[in-house]
Amino acid sequence: DSGVTQTPKHLITATGQRVTLRCSPRSGDLSVYWYQQSLDQGLQFLIQYYNGEERAKGNILERFSAQQFPDLHSELNLSSLELGDSALYFCASSTTGTPRVDEQFFGPGTRLTVL
Amino acid sequence: AQKVTQAQTEISVVEKEDVTLDCVYETRDTTYYLFWYKQPPSGELVFLIRRNSFDEQNEISGRYSWNFQKSTSSFNFTITASQVVDSAVYFCALREKNTGFQKLVFGTGTRLLVSP
Repeated sequence: DSGVTQTPKHLITATGQRVTLRCSPRSGDLSVYWYQQSLDQGLQFLIQYYNGEERAKGNILERFSAQQFPDLHSELNLSSLELGDSALYFCASSTTGTPRVDEQFFGPGTRLTVL
Repeated sequence: AQKVTQAQTEISVVEKEDVTLDCVYETRDTTYYLFWYKQPPSGELVFLIRRNSFDEQNEISGRYSWNFQKSTSSFNFTITASQVVDSAVYFCALREKNTGFQKLVFGTGTRLLVSP
């Protein structure tokens, strides 16, 4: 158990809908990262937040957005869902935002199925 | 641009065999970090090891060992005396310092099947 929690574990929805994925980082971790794992694209970095502020952006679609709240939990919002958005979405956390000290520990993921 | 290549899509071995998973990376940065993660059938990603670009010393942890060679841009992972519980997808990943980004760039993964 990495200490990172994600809810829900599974999510089934229809095209055009909007969903919110939630992540709670390990206790004391300030950075939260979101990754998408799909059959087509593999594991891809989406976005990083550090202590409430966006720190880095990857291949995140405009239909997707994220935020990190004062209690450090994070939410990933996916809207106007398409079939291709079906994937496993991982949240990871690390102690700081700098590379010299920390690993990213991953949550169990949320499996999103868009029908 | 940073890139990680895991050319082996799937490897099948019989229990107790040794197996090496290959990882080749590309980066223009002189300071970078390499990682291996394990994804068992349950789906979670489990951190295995981190290595920075200034430390080419090989590492051994139980049945696991890692061979980092900057000259060939490789960071290979060997499992000695494999066990059925080692069956998983293994990902090699790279992180660069120069952009200040924290993103992990993953390879496509190698699926390891260990049969009894």
